[in-house]
Amino acid sequence: EVQLVESGGGLVQPGGSLRLSCAASGFTFNTYWMTWVRQAPGQGLEWVANIKEDGSEKNYVDSVKGRFTISRDNGKNSLYLQMNSLRGEDTAVYFCARGTYQNRHWGQGTLVTVSS
Amino acid sequence: DIQMTQSPSSLSASVGDRVTITCHASQDITKHLNWYQQKAGIAPKLLIYDASKLETGVPSRFTGSGSGTDFTFTISSLQPEDFATYYCQQYHNLPRTFGGGTKVESK
Repeated sequence: EVQLVESGGGLVQPGGSLRLSCAASGFTFNTYWMTWVRQAPGQGLEWVANIKEDGSEKNYVDSVKGRFTISRDNGKNSLYLQMNSLRGEDTAVYFCARGTYQNRHWGQGTLVTVSS
Repeated sequence: DIQMTQSPSSLSASVGDRVTITCHASQDITKHLNWYQQKAGIAPKLLIYDASKLETGVPSRFTGSGSGTDFTFTISSLQPEDFATYYCQQYHNLPRTFGGGTKVESK
């Protein structure tokens, strides 16, 4: 069974940093692109970033470019999102998902709150 | 970036009703469109991909159509478990972009 479990969310002050993790199991992690999607409270879905199977290609939505870094460790079956210079508008539930064209499997999400 | 415009943003319907949601892309995305269902507090679930292909295990009352810039998602006979928010998403270009969502509520 495919499982994706996010962790690392929490309360952080504006300008601060946070690193999200996504632990994957039940599939061959190094053969799939992986994606981060976020959802602000009461709002819609926003695609954030994705990363190729071997980590050689990374893509970001403009609003996080230069502040967020997606990475993966295929030896640990884990996906990461390093978030720096956090802003209030980054407050959201962050989901990791498998795939780049279709996201058939998602984690349960981890809440990031940026507030002083 | 490709803008995805979904309408309506919400609708009220009864069990057994036919429900239709539209999604307009700001440029030609051929058939590179997904539809997702999301229930409150839960991760989205893929229902339709390639604009009209039904994901495995998804009931046949859900259908999708369209190509180019205009797409339609239909629930032929609304069931109690279908009250949720639905999103279209294009995967023609990066960044992938979602429509604003359509909340289907009970009348």
